Amino acid sequence: EAGVVQSPRYKIIEKKQPVAFWCNPISGHNTLYWYRQNLGQGPELLIRYENEEAVDDSQLPKDRFSAERLKGVDSTLKIQPAELGDSAVYLCASSFGQYTGELFFGEGSRLTVL
Amino acid sequence: KQEVTQIPAALSVPEGENLVLNCSFTDSAIYNLQWFRQDPGKGLTSLLLIQSSQREQTSGRLNASLDKSSGRSTLYIAASQPGDSATYLCAVGGGADGLTFGKGTHLIIQP
Repeated sequence: EAGVVQSPRYKIIEKKQPVAFWCNPISGHNTLYWYRQNLGQGPELLIRYENEEAVDDSQLPKDRFSAERLKGVDSTLKIQPAELGDSAVYLCASSFGQYTGELFFGEGSRLTVL
Repeated sequence: KQEVTQIPAALSVPEGENLVLNCSFTDSAIYNLQWFRQDPGKGLTSLLLIQSSQREQTSGRLNASLDKSSGRSTLYIAASQPGDSATYLCAVGGGADGLTFGKGTHLIIQP
């Protein structure tokens, strides 16, 4: 069974440029998460989807970040414009079930903003 | 707001030793607790999931316990091997708040 797939694995951009990350969750997993992980820290939740509905986006910086989950499957996280402080690893995870399901993570997308 | 603390932040032990990683959390109203492993430059690999009604889970040489009332969990690794070297993350599931992570324990197993 395929795991959570993310792309790109690495992205280097200059500040003020846009960037987008894509995630394909495990088949059948209705809950999808985007996390951000800074160096030496644990991941922090940005947004959580139940099917195609964003049910928790309180930590998403809405002035520059946006996300969507098409047809309740794939998801895209966009940053526009990027700032130096956005350099981090962006992790996508999925689970079956809303609160009690085991989370499975992708390899992450490492963003460097110059 | 849930806070998760992992102690120690780093640990280096000789191969073959049994070891314990600690995780504490401030709000005992949790749905579950999950332990992950993260290798450098990689994503998180799920090791064990303990539901709030459970006391422990075992997988191979790993055993995780959960004491909700005291806000603590431990991850026990038996007969450590160099391949166990990684960062171990504890995450607490609070329902609508999703998972809250600790900063991790960086583990080095010396050959």
